[in-house]
This record gives sequence, structure tokens and C-alpha cells, in this order.
Amino acid sequence: QQPVQSPQAVILREGEDAVINCSSSKALYSVHWYRQKHGEAPVFLMILLKGGEQKGHEKISASFNEKKQQSSLYLTASQLSYSGTYFCGTHGMGDSNYQLIWGAGTKLIIKP
Amino acid sequence: DSGVTQTPKHLITATGQRVTLRCSPRSGDLSVYWYQQSLDQGLQFLIHYYNGEERAKGNILERFSAQQFPDLHSELNLSSLELGDSALYFCASSVDSSMSYGYTFGSGTRLTVV
Repeated sequence: QQPVQSPQAVILREGEDAVINCSSSKALYSVHWYRQKHGEAPVFLMILLKGGEQKGHEKISASFNEKKQQSSLYLTASQLSYSGTYFCGTHGMGDSNYQLIWGAGTKLIIKP
Repeated sequence: DSGVTQTPKHLITATGQRVTLRCSPRSGDLSVYWYQQSLDQGLQFLIHYYNGEERAKGNILERFSAQQFPDLHSELNLSSLELGDSALYFCASSVDSSMSYGYTFGSGTRLTVV
């Protein structure tokens, strides 16, 4: 079942903070976050695993609430380069289907 | 350069034709995933191969097929093309199929069916 992302879109001024949420109705093993700029490929931001392990290579933080099956991506002191559509992808616990289930995306617009 | 190579970058073809999209995964990655993305839409999962074997199938049309070769490159074949098949096709690669590692996406093939 597709995870629900919120908000669908957000407009910020440069320097403001944003939180993007991803909620699932099933127990999760991992949550992936990606950013996609228009016409470009999605870029990996972070992966959060059940048990608290996080893997990422950008200066972006995220949390994974295993009880609520929800992940939140925190973008602080946003820069113009943060603009794009953010997708979460989830993999369920015990899920033998070797694929991520993707949210519909959150469009983030940063204005100077 | 993400390390995942997709060719061609652009493809324009007529309805009814057949095309082949190619993907070379990042060095060391064993999994290849194919996605379709229509204009301003989300990512539609097509198929996943791991080390030459099919691991998962999404909403892939019967007109579409894929394979992963011994050198780990993958090809997506689209036949009897329709106008609605026009989209960006991405492949992504990952270390394994465990969902414990991130995906690296190629730059995509933009297919236009006229």
C-alpha cells in the first residue's frame, strides 16, 4: 500500500525550515528518501532502517518512528538548491516483494 | 555522473514500433530496477533484477520485457508502442536486493512516441 506523504507541496523562503512526512499503514523495515529536480533523476538522500540505523550522505536529517510507521525529513536553513520533489520509498517488514513502494511526492519550492 | 549509465538519452519513435533501452549499473551493484515516470507523475515500478534473476515485477505491461545479462547490464524492451508509453524511463542500481542500501539512478531515457 502506497505511503502517504504530507504536505503535497510547500513554498518557503530561503533560510526557513521544512518538515516532510511519510506515513505507512504497515510495519516498515526501511524508509528511503530521494530528491528529484525537474527533468532529472532522483538522487538518494537517506535511508532509515528499523532499529535506528541511518545511512545518508547529505546534510539532511530524518527520523523514523517505528511505532507510528512514520518517517520525517528535516530540511533546516533551506537553500535554493533544496527545491525539488521529495519522494519517500518504503519496504515492509517481512515483505518478500523486492521493491520499494513510493509515495506520491512532496513538491518543495524555495524562494530567495 | 552517478555511475549508472543509460542509453540512449532521447528516443523518438512511431506508434507500433519496438525500442530497447539499456542500463549499465554502478560498478559492484548487483540489482537493477526499472521505473517509468510520466510527465510530473511519480515513479512507477516496472521490474527488478538481481544478479541476472528477476526478483520483482510491478505494473509492467505484457508489451514490455526486460532482462539482465551476465555482465549485469540490463535492457528494457518496449514493443507495439502507443502514445501513452511516452515517458521518462529510469533505471536504478543497488548493492543488493535487501532494501538496506540506497538506489543510484541513471539520468534516464526520454521516450517520445509520435
